[in-house]
Amino acid sequence: EIVLTQSPGTLSLSPGERATLSCRASQSVSSNYLAWYQHKPGQAPRLLIYGASNRATGIPDRFSGSGSGTDFTLTISRLEPEDFAVYYCQQYGSSPQTFGQGTKVEIK
Amino acid sequence: QVQLQQWGAGLLKPSETLSLTCAVYGESFSNYFCSWIRQPPGKGLEWIGEINHSGSTNYNPSLKSRVTLSVDTSKNQFSLKLSSVTAADTAVYYCADGDYVYWGQGTLVTVSS
Repeated sequence: EIVLTQSPGTLSLSPGERATLSCRASQSVSSNYLAWYQHKPGQAPRLLIYGASNRATGIPDRFSGSGSGTDFTLTISRLEPEDFAVYYCQQYGSSPQTFGQGTKVEIK
Repeated sequence: QVQLQQWGAGLLKPSETLSLTCAVYGESFSNYFCSWIRQPPGKGLEWIGEINHSGSTNYNPSLKSRVTLSVDTSKNQFSLKLSSVTAADTAVYYCADGDYVYWGQGTLVTVSS
């Protein structure tokens, strides 16, 4: 199975700052089938990005995804108060689908 | 508006069978996929498996021997069964559509003697 490793584990930033989250795959992700989710306590995960770089419907343009092959990045250009959460990457190109362990974006 | 609503028993004893149902509202059931995902307390997300409207399944090998996914097209419902549960199966369980756009609200299942 493809192992996804996210870094850093925790990112401490202030509102307005830029967040850069990394997701590295143990082998190439088929067709760049890589998604990013935002997850807050007590809520279901929210799809942000699919296909490595496509924003899901209704997702603000401050969220962007990039990368291909084994290295992927989620960038939040300017953090809003509601963006502090845990972010997961997921590959859905190979079975079993797998998730990274998550990056927590916390208020500094 | 598409909604996924899930329900099932929240407290089980070791060796019992976990059973959850996910109903789909506001969406055509044809060509529909449903995935199941879980999150143990304090841990990350784990993909359990997926099923489509015609009953074709794909399971995570780590759980395959204990998981059964099924579909009831007459009710627009998908179901998850996980047998022989242990404390390690304690988690919040989610259903989601095949594109992961729509999710159920999550069900906390606790396994305790």
